[in-house]
Amino acid sequence: NAGVTQTPKFRVLKTGQSMTLLCAQDMNHEYMYWYRQDPGMGLRLIHYSVGEGTTAKGEVPDGYNVSRLKKQNFLLGLESAAPSQTSVYFCASSWTGPEQYFGPGTRLTVT
Amino acid sequence: GQSLEQPSEVTAVEGAIVQINCTYQTSGFYGLSWYQQHDGGAPTFLSYNGLDGLEETGRFSSFLSRSDSYGYLLLQELQMKDSASYFCAVPQYNQAGTALIFGKGTTLSVSS
Repeated sequence: NAGVTQTPKFRVLKTGQSMTLLCAQDMNHEYMYWYRQDPGMGLRLIHYSVGEGTTAKGEVPDGYNVSRLKKQNFLLGLESAAPSQTSVYFCASSWTGPEQYFGPGTRLTVT
Repeated sequence: GQSLEQPSEVTAVEGAIVQINCTYQTSGFYGLSWYQQHDGGAPTFLSYNGLDGLEETGRFSSFLSRSDSYGYLLLQELQMKDSASYFCAVPQYNQAGTALIFGKGTTLSVSS
């Protein structure tokens, strides 16, 4: 089992460009999450999903959109990237809320 | 809202015992999770306390006191590989489902 995978691992964008981050899990988990991690800020929840076709906003949703068209995939979109979105993005999945399995992260730089 | 407080840094030597505290203020509390993250890596789940008391898993233990809105992670027989960041987190349940709110993390440095 691959667990949780994220694509791409690294990306550099220019301000205003768009991109999609892909998260895939092979554990048949219902819940999937997107977090961003900035120095000294811990992990902050962007959006999450409790099942195929459902999404919900987290703590810092502005500037991001998500979709969960298939149970195993959770996509995070940036429509118009800003330097403030430079961060490390982690995806996670879970059967229950307290125990989550994280992907390796995507390091995004917006110049 | 949710608020979790933990020390930003802790230092210790190999073989020692260290305790990382977490205090919380939440609207509705269901339990406390702990995660470990090595530099540049993914967070990994360590433990979850849904009830008051001590949960032991090898060298790591986690404690919860609901009446004090407080929990801690106890690491025994410290090893160099325990140098990492440790996060406490609380589950948040609402109509949209279940999410985790994380503290800002404690960086543990273990020296020889």
